[in-house]
Amino acid sequence: GENVEQHPSTLSVQEGDSAVIKCTYSDSASNYFPWYKQELGKGPQLIIDIRSNVGEKKDQRIAVTLNKTAKHFSLHITETQPEDSAVYFCAAVQSGGSYIPTFGRGTSLIVHP
Amino acid sequence: GAVVSQHPSRVICKSGTSVKIECRSLDFQATTMFWYRQFPKQSLMLMATSNEGSKATYEQGVEKDKFLINHASLTLSTLTVTSAHPEDSSFYICSARRGGAAGANVLTFGAGSRLTVL
Repeated sequence: GENVEQHPSTLSVQEGDSAVIKCTYSDSASNYFPWYKQELGKGPQLIIDIRSNVGEKKDQRIAVTLNKTAKHFSLHITETQPEDSAVYFCAAVQSGGSYIPTFGRGTSLIVHP
Repeated sequence: GAVVSQHPSRVICKSGTSVKIECRSLDFQATTMFWYRQFPKQSLMLMATSNEGSKATYEQGVEKDKFLINHASLTLSTLTVTSAHPEDSSFYICSARRGGAAGANVLTFGAGSRLTVL
């Protein structure tokens, strides 16, 4: 089955700095990669996603890059703000298969004012 | 956008009682709903996949008689924790997937339900 590794487990930055979270996946059949943000006591919310036919996608301060050859994808947050503090999960999905996402273990991002 | 409502958000019950958690897709039809359990500071653990009108598919190690899942309509799935014990205390989260190829990949999560069993 698919295995998703996510690093780092904890990331502490100063407000205004950039934050990068990296994930690797094992199954080359995975072709959809969503990122979720989970605030304390709440359910995960989709913040950005990328499909395997695209190398990069950007939405304001958030961007995701995908390297299919190396089987890794990354989340980039620029100009971080305290409200970006949360746990971020990456996931890998096989379209045309079970569509069940395999999640990474999560990264706790702390943005210090 | 797609909205999933999960209720209750918090529930406290006595050991031995049963608790029902509801998950509703408010503005779309969800052909598939997933139920997750999350322990503190850990990732999401898939418990079962629920397809409308059919029996749920449980992940290995999840007791189907303990965690009853019903997906009676395209907008509602329920998880019932039967004869709850303190070790069942956890954060339970549902997610729903749209039907059709366009929305098949996208999961929308509920806000979660915090269960505390005394």
